[in-house]
Amino acid sequence: DQQVKQNSPSLSVQEGRISILNCDYTNSMFDYFLWYKKYPAEGPTFLISISSIKDKNEDGRFTVFLNKSAKHLSLHIVPSQPGDSAVYFCAASAQGGSEKLVFGKGTKLTVNP
Amino acid sequence: DAGVIQSPRHEVTEMGQEVTLRCKPISGHNSLFWYRQTMMRGLELLIYFNNNVPIDDSGMPEDRFSAKMPNASFSTLKIQPSEPRDSAVYFCASNIRGQGGYTFGSGTRLTVV
Repeated sequence: DQQVKQNSPSLSVQEGRISILNCDYTNSMFDYFLWYKKYPAEGPTFLISISSIKDKNEDGRFTVFLNKSAKHLSLHIVPSQPGDSAVYFCAASAQGGSEKLVFGKGTKLTVNP
Repeated sequence: DAGVIQSPRHEVTEMGQEVTLRCKPISGHNSLFWYRQTMMRGLELLIYFNNNVPIDDSGMPEDRFSAKMPNASFSTLKIQPSEPRDSAVYFCASNIRGQGGYTFGSGTRLTVV
């Protein structure tokens, strides 16, 4: 059973436009959420996180939104750049991040020049 | 800091052979995680250690898989005997427990023929 789901395997956007990546979770114990970015032949790298006490967290061009009632979070990238082309993984954890991270299957983002 | 170091980067082996993957976590990190990435299952947690002690090995697929952490600076993941379906990218990650995101290594791409 997949506790963290990224239903879109891929997404393609134009440079300068907004990229929106979505993630759903089923485990109500999750209270800490993260996004990772992965380039080919590299390990995933941490991008941004959000605690369940917040509904929004912003870091430069990256914003994560959390809707606890819908068990849904999204990552917005504005404006998108070709260097953002990568696989993005959503991850969730319980107990404020003390428990193991559970990952989604990832969404491959392609930003076209 | 050199980050999480994994070796080898690539491993090609014949079915039935023993394979050993190695990981050196970041100094000072007290939790270590082994993940496997496949197209079908995404990033799945195999096992994790806190203070060198295995905490959760429920993700280890079969008895053919074993992991050890003899000290705070070294861990191994062993597959014996290996099978073609073990072909995947294996990632090691570490963090300070309770401090959220993990730092991943670059991974070991394993091919079993």
